[in-house]
Amino acid sequence: GAGVSQTPSNKVTEKGKYVELRCDPISGHTALYWYRQSLGQGPEFLIYFQGTGAADDSGLPNDRFFAVRPEGSVSTLKIQRTERGDSAVYLCASSSSPEDTQYFGPGTRLTVL
Amino acid sequence: TQLLEQSPQFLSIQEGENLTVYCNSSSVFSSLQWYRQEPGEGPVLLVTVVTGGEVKKLKRLTFQFGDARKDSSLHITAAQPGDTGLYLCAGGGRSGGSNYKLTFGKGTLLTVNP
Repeated sequence: GAGVSQTPSNKVTEKGKYVELRCDPISGHTALYWYRQSLGQGPEFLIYFQGTGAADDSGLPNDRFFAVRPEGSVSTLKIQRTERGDSAVYLCASSSSPEDTQYFGPGTRLTVL
Repeated sequence: TQLLEQSPQFLSIQEGENLTVYCNSSSVFSSLQWYRQEPGEGPVLLVTVVTGGEVKKLKRLTFQFGDARKDSSLHITAAQPGDTGLYLCAGGGRSGGSNYKLTFGKGTLLTVNP
């Protein structure tokens, strides 16, 4: 079956611009997660959704980062006033419940010039 | 300070050799997972271990969870070029916290040369 998909696969933007990154989870998965992976690092937790609500946003680095999941399926990670330090691969994962295996998408590589 | 330390960071070996990579922490985890990540892809789960002292085998890969649930190792027997990739360990439920919040190490980048 279809796995987690993320679009775009690559995004290049200029410092100060706004970007949106999209995640399509596995059908039926109620739990959705965003992680950020900087060069040479492991993924770092950003936010967890259970259904439509953000159950844990403790990993969001600051208020420039925001994520939504209005219908409990697709999620969008939004970054305002991008900075060069935001450059990283943004990974999305989903699972059938928060105790179950997380399946990762291929990620979106964000480059802020 | 990295919560999960992986060693070595880089490992380059010849096909047929054996290897062990390590994942160590000062924190206790409810579970520990090993992932493999290839360039341009997300991590793919290899195994989850939940019981202190647990050993799991997946073909040529052997995973062990430390008795105190703070460390783990991955041993590969007779490595093949297809084993090449970034091996990540991730802990869930650090110090009694939520299982969904995975803490990853930096990974071991393994290259197996033909």
